[in-house]
Amino acid sequence: RKEVEQDPGPFNVPEGATVAFNCTYSNSASQSFFWYRQDCRKEPKLLMSVYSSGNEDGRFTAQLNRASQYISLLIRDSKLSDSATYLCVDSSASKIIFGSGTRLSIRP
Amino acid sequence: GAVVSQHPSRVICKSGTSVKIECRSLDFQATTMFWYRQFPKKSLMLMATSNEGSKATYEQGVEKDKFLINHASLTLSTLTVTSAHPEDSSFYICSARSLSGGLTDTQYFGPGTRLTVL
Repeated sequence: RKEVEQDPGPFNVPEGATVAFNCTYSNSASQSFFWYRQDCRKEPKLLMSVYSSGNEDGRFTAQLNRASQYISLLIRDSKLSDSATYLCVDSSASKIIFGSGTRLSIRP
Repeated sequence: GAVVSQHPSRVICKSGTSVKIECRSLDFQATTMFWYRQFPKKSLMLMATSNEGSKATYEQGVEKDKFLINHASLTLSTLTVTSAHPEDSSFYICSARSLSGGLTDTQYFGPGTRLTVL
């Protein structure tokens, strides 16, 4: 099993829709997670941290489910500019582990 | 947010030459810098972890004699791809973590260097 696993997508949704995707992790001791977005041929940029109590930043909501060992990202009222690859990161162990990313495409 | 720069942004070289890539943290001190490579439509693959003043820690399968890493100061780490071959063509990205060095600290990415070996 991969240490951090994501559905590669692509998720193709209309503008204004709500979209959610999950990321599973294998290390039950992991405690620190992040979501990054990466545009084509660009470096990843931090989107948000994932707190155990869940956190919200505008249209974005991140959740952590320890029992099932996954984190989620919810995007409401999606915009065309949300089209990107979303990477989840387990930053708990001695090294930082990236998921392979989920591609999201928002259509007009 | 913190700024990390990389130079050069793009390099094309002949097979057999060596290429040096610089990664600088511009507005903070980075105790730890990370080097990644990314192939098209693939995720980032950690190559090595670079700590200031000590030898880099390489991931399994990454040749330390081929990918030389030097972290001479708290704001600069370099990656040298020695005797580059076409299969080394990739997108190389560095990231830096702040001085406090906690595992939960955010890491900031450089803009990446696209290496093409002919």
